Amino acid sequence: NAGVTQTPKFQVLKTGQSMTLQCAQDMNHNSMYWYRQDPGMGLRLIYYSASEGTTDKGEVPNGYNVSRLNKREFSLRLESAAPSQTSVYFCASSEGRNSPLHFGNGTRLTVT
Amino acid sequence: DQQVKQNSPSLSVQEGRISILNCDYTNSMFDYFLWYKKYPAEGPTFLISISSIKDKNEDGRFTVFLNKSAKHLSLHIVPSQPGDSAVYFCAARGYGGSQGNLIFGKGTKLSVKP
Repeated sequence: NAGVTQTPKFQVLKTGQSMTLQCAQDMNHNSMYWYRQDPGMGLRLIYYSASEGTTDKGEVPNGYNVSRLNKREFSLRLESAAPSQTSVYFCASSEGRNSPLHFGNGTRLTVT
Repeated sequence: DQQVKQNSPSLSVQEGRISILNCDYTNSMFDYFLWYKKYPAEGPTFLISISSIKDKNEDGRFTVFLNKSAKHLSLHIVPSQPGDSAVYFCAARGYGGSQGNLIFGKGTKLSVKP
């Protein structure tokens, strides 16, 4: 049982390049999330999808777009990367509102 | 403005002793609280949770206490083990819409010395 799988694990981009971070979960969870973690800032919510077919902005959505492709997959896209988007990105999923989030192992992104 | 605060960036404890990690929150609408543990290069893993209708929840060596009047929760680890060395995040959830999502504190790095 893989849980939440994120690809790639590491990525280096130049300013202005675009890329998509992939996330898939095999726990049949309804809700999926994208967080970023920066030093001294904890985890901040970028976007979430409460259920298949819906997406909503979180605390720091600017510069990102998401797609809930199906119940299993939730991708995060950077259209034009900026150095401020250098961070570790975590995808998570949960059964519902009062259930814990299960996290992937993260994607470490560097934008130069 | 931080709604979930972990005011101690780090904590060092001797093996076998108690570790107490603290967390304060400002939003009285929060009704569900969780603790996560994070090792380097891994994602956070769920440790223990508590609903606002309770004031204590135990799971083995881990106990979470909730004081709603003080808007304070704490995680007790007894006895502490070197494998407990990690960053611990407190998180809280409110009602519906964006309030239904978890808000995390900045984390406390626990070091358990043999």
